[in-house]
Formats: sequence, C-alpha cells, structure tokens
Amino acid sequence: NAGVTQTPKFQVLKTGQSMTLQCAQDMNHNSMYWYRQDPGMGLRLIYYSASEGTTDKGEVPNGYNVSRLNKREFSLRLESAAPSQTSVYFCASSAGQGSEKLFFGSGTQLSVL
Amino acid sequence: GDSVTQMEGPVTLSEEAFLTINCTYTATGYPSLFWYVQYPGEGLQLLLKATKADDKGSNKGFEATYRKETTSFHLEKGSVQVSDSAVYFCARMDSSYKLIFGSGTRLLVRP
Repeated sequence: NAGVTQTPKFQVLKTGQSMTLQCAQDMNHNSMYWYRQDPGMGLRLIYYSASEGTTDKGEVPNGYNVSRLNKREFSLRLESAAPSQTSVYFCASSAGQGSEKLFFGSGTQLSVL
Repeated sequence: GDSVTQMEGPVTLSEEAFLTINCTYTATGYPSLFWYVQYPGEGLQLLLKATKADDKGSNKGFEATYRKETTSFHLEKGSVQVSDSAVYFCARMDSSYKLIFGSGTRLLVRP
C-alpha cells in the first residue's frame, strides 16, 4: 500500500553541495512529476516525465536535472545547491498525461544554508 | 498566462461553521477544475473535480460548482470539523494536460 515514496524526508545542504532526491511509485503509473512548494506560491512544476524514457521541463527547471530511471523511479538532482532552492519538494505520479488525479509523496523538506 | 488565484489564508473557523474558500481562474476555453487537500505532514490528495461548466464536484461534505460566467470554482462546506484543518489548493488543467495550482489556503478549525 506504499503509493509514492520519497527519500529523504529532510535534508540540510551547504551552498554548492549536490544531492539527489529519490522517488518511486508502485502503481504502474506512466507519468511522474516533481514539484516544489514555497510559502504563498503554491506548487510549481519543476520537471515531469509523461512516460518512461521521456522528460520535459516544467515552470521552474533551472538548477535541477531529472532522470526517469525506469517506469517506477524518477529522481531529481541538484548539482550545486543554492539558498533559493530551500523548499519542500513533492514527487507525484498519475496514470497518464492528462489524468488529473495525481498521487503525491509525503515530501522532502530541503534547507540550503 | 493561465493561472489560478485563491483567497489568502489562514481561514480560522469554529467547528460547525460554514466554509467558503474562493478560487478564480484565467484560461482560454473551459479547463477541468479541481480541489486538492493537504493534511499536515502529507502530500496533496484530490478532493473533488468538475470537468465542464455548471458541474458540481462533491466529496466528504465539500462542494464546488464550476461557474464559467464568473470563472470561479469556490469550495464550500456546510459544517466544518476539526479534522478538516488542512491546506486547500485549487487547480486547473492546462492545455498540455498538466495541473496548475493556486497558492493554497490554510484552514484552521477550532473545537
């Protein structure tokens, strides 16, 4: 009954450090998404993967890279973290592009000092 | 561009009070509209949806009606409970089938 699993739940980085946020879903969904959530700004789409083997930029892709490793897994990498990337990051999945029912993970709280 | 605007929170109510959270959207055409809810420490989950004008979405006592005349999709509940305390997000589907979220409205219900 896992759904969408994100790791880690919390992370503190220093400016310039790199890290990868992991996401996996067990619902055989085709599409996966990475969002960031900032106070007063709601959720903004960073990258998405409509299907295995494809990735596309969302609204705020700068400073991030993604990998759709297989159908289950979609990772988000920060190559050189900046304080502006302090945020809560959510991974989500859906049955397919155009499906409005997204299933979200519980989030990763990232602080960049 | 296309957007979703929600009323700012927090909204603080007593238990059994009536709830309205306003949401308006801009878009070409008539996009599908949604309300998502985020309980403390969790990810978002779909609460209700409406796919065409005059549709009413409902779930768990919450309702929202798709009003094309006013480009609105306000969330209502007749009698809130403490367990309804959460952040509520209005959202719409964009032309490339991705969700655009509003900024969220925090609801706090006091016993």
